[in-house]
Amino acid sequence: GIQVEQSPPDLILQEGANSTLRCNFSDSVNNLQWFHQNPWGQLINLFYIPSGTKQNGRLSATTVATERYSLLYISSSQTTDSGVYFCAVGPTYNFNKFYFGSGTKLNVKP
Amino acid sequence: AAGVIQSPRHLIKEKRETATLKCYPIPRHDTVYWYQQGPGQDPQFLISFYEKMQSDKGSIPDRFSAQQFSDYHSELNMSSLELGDSALYFCASRLTGLSEQYFGPGTRLTVT
Repeated sequence: GIQVEQSPPDLILQEGANSTLRCNFSDSVNNLQWFHQNPWGQLINLFYIPSGTKQNGRLSATTVATERYSLLYISSSQTTDSGVYFCAVGPTYNFNKFYFGSGTKLNVKP
Repeated sequence: AAGVIQSPRHLIKEKRETATLKCYPIPRHDTVYWYQQGPGQDPQFLISFYEKMQSDKGSIPDRFSAQQFSDYHSELNMSSLELGDSALYFCASRLTGLSEQYFGPGTRLTVT
């Protein structure tokens, strides 16, 4: 299957700081999504971004499909941003599969 | 907007018991996926259904089975439960022709 690597695995920020999370994938994809998993375990859908750039408030994401990576930017971080951020991809050769990276665990301190 | 519904949200079972998890996809979505997330791990794909037929299979134990019904809801049946089956189980749905998956809130299964 497709390999999905996220970096960094852990990140500690002071409130108000900015950060960039990276997701590398090993094959062409027709689906790429970023999720935030909150402390209660819910997967919050942040972006559906198989290519291009999107912004939603303090969050933005960019996927460069030809170079097989995606970036998630968090600006002016808040304590409520804490949690695990997952990147997940669906390979072009199989619409029925969806592979998650191992996540970036973010801790924003007040 | 309607979201994916999963029930129950929490379930406690003993070893060797059976469990049934239910998933109600977003209306008009014809594809359902099941995922298992163990403690501290990322979600792992178990199985998917398209138009009530199994479309793909991941690392699903033989003790587990699933199906999608005529109203498109899906059930994951788990038998001979083991301690290692304790996990968060997610269901997701998708509309064919669109790639984005929509996830439910998950069912937290604890096996004691």
